[in-house]
Amino acid sequence: EAQVTQNPRYLITVTGKKLTVTCSQNMNHEYMSWYRQDPGLGLRQIYYSMNVEVTDKGDVPEGYKVSRKEKRNFPLILESPSPNQTSLYFCASSPAVQGVGYGYTFGSGTRLTVV
Amino acid sequence: GQQVMQIPQYQHVQEGEDFTTYCNSSTTLSNIQWYKQRPGGHPVFLIQLVKSGEVKKQKRLTFQFGEAKKNSSLHITATQTTDVGTYFCARDSGYALNFGKGTSLLVTP
Repeated sequence: EAQVTQNPRYLITVTGKKLTVTCSQNMNHEYMSWYRQDPGLGLRQIYYSMNVEVTDKGDVPEGYKVSRKEKRNFPLILESPSPNQTSLYFCASSPAVQGVGYGYTFGSGTRLTVV
Repeated sequence: GQQVMQIPQYQHVQEGEDFTTYCNSSTTLSNIQWYKQRPGGHPVFLIQLVKSGEVKKQKRLTFQFGEAKKNSSLHITATQTTDVGTYFCARDSGYALNFGKGTSLLVTP
């Protein structure tokens, strides 16, 4: 089944403790992206990647890192999480850089709470 | 990225009534995409519109792209309880989809 898999689904952590949210897709998509979703603010892009070793900042990259060493994986790293990073996170992928003709496939989400 | 504006923010209808959500941009859009997110779920791609004045249908859902490519709408005919969720439009800015804040639809049986 074609899908984007995120782990974990739920995570509660403490301020300052480094964490990684994994994202993997099995569709050989070139483009991958991370979004966070917050009430009243909607979906905002954190980082994106056009292909292996090519990443760039989205609208809200502060406090996050990403890497794209393999085509299928795009982990999101929080080096020193803070409470304002409490959010619902989605990974998404698409077969084309500009998405023309293609929608994004989203993972099931990771609900992160930083206390 | 530049956002698109969606109205209304919320809509509560009786089952069988129609529903429409609108998406507006201050600048011309190259294309517009629509997504649905069920409560507790993730966004799911519905459709992409590219051409000026384009109209596409998916069963009870009708999607339109304005002639000036600055607005779009999603119309659901005779809503069902399975239509509950938040509907997002999103503009393609080149390297990202910039989402509107969505319209949350509640359908009462």
